[in-house]
Amino acid sequence: DQQVKQNSPSLSVQEGRISILNCDYTNSMFDYFLWYKKYPAEGPTFLISISSIKDKNEDGRFTVFLNKSAKHLSLHIVPSQPGDSAVYFCAASEAGNQFYFGTGTSLTVIP
Amino acid sequence: DTEVTQTPKHLVMGMTNKKSLKCEQHMGHRAMYWYKQKAKKPPELMFVYSYEKLSINESVPSRFSPECPNSSLLNLHLHALQPEDSALYLCASSPLAGGPHEQYFGPGTRLTVT
Repeated sequence: DQQVKQNSPSLSVQEGRISILNCDYTNSMFDYFLWYKKYPAEGPTFLISISSIKDKNEDGRFTVFLNKSAKHLSLHIVPSQPGDSAVYFCAASEAGNQFYFGTGTSLTVIP
Repeated sequence: DTEVTQTPKHLVMGMTNKKSLKCEQHMGHRAMYWYKQKAKKPPELMFVYSYEKLSINESVPSRFSPECPNSSLLNLHLHALQPEDSALYLCASSPLAGGPHEQYFGPGTRLTVT
């Protein structure tokens, strides 16, 4: 049973607009969450993380929001750029020992 | 150097072959990982090494045999694989196992078992 879910396999956004990628998890013991970006033929690249003691973390155009009561996190990219087109994975762990990944959302930013 | 390298990039092997995948990092990380990723699925953890010792084995069949010769190198020895083992094998490293540390991934080895 998948502990981390990304229910939208794909998302298309116009350049300059906001991209919102969503992720849900089932294990309330998860305390560290990450977003990875993956281009074809490359390994996942770390993007941004958040620990459960926070509800928001920002890094440039990327912001991750965590709603612990809803067991939901989201990644906001604003403004979106064509170079952001990739597959985005969210991952969660309990004490960082083992990471569980979602199935990914393929983002296409249209110029 | 924030790179994790993996060789080979592609590997085709028969079910009776023995082959090895190699992973290397020079970031001084003390935790290294092997993941398996099938098409349209998330990466699935196989093994975790912490300070060159195997700390997690996710019930992986014995036809996959990991080895960590030193803190920079991680190998995955393959023997008598099945066609369903065809997948992308990803190596990752992190400063430590446990705690809020991101993992750095290599580009993967695309394995095809015929």
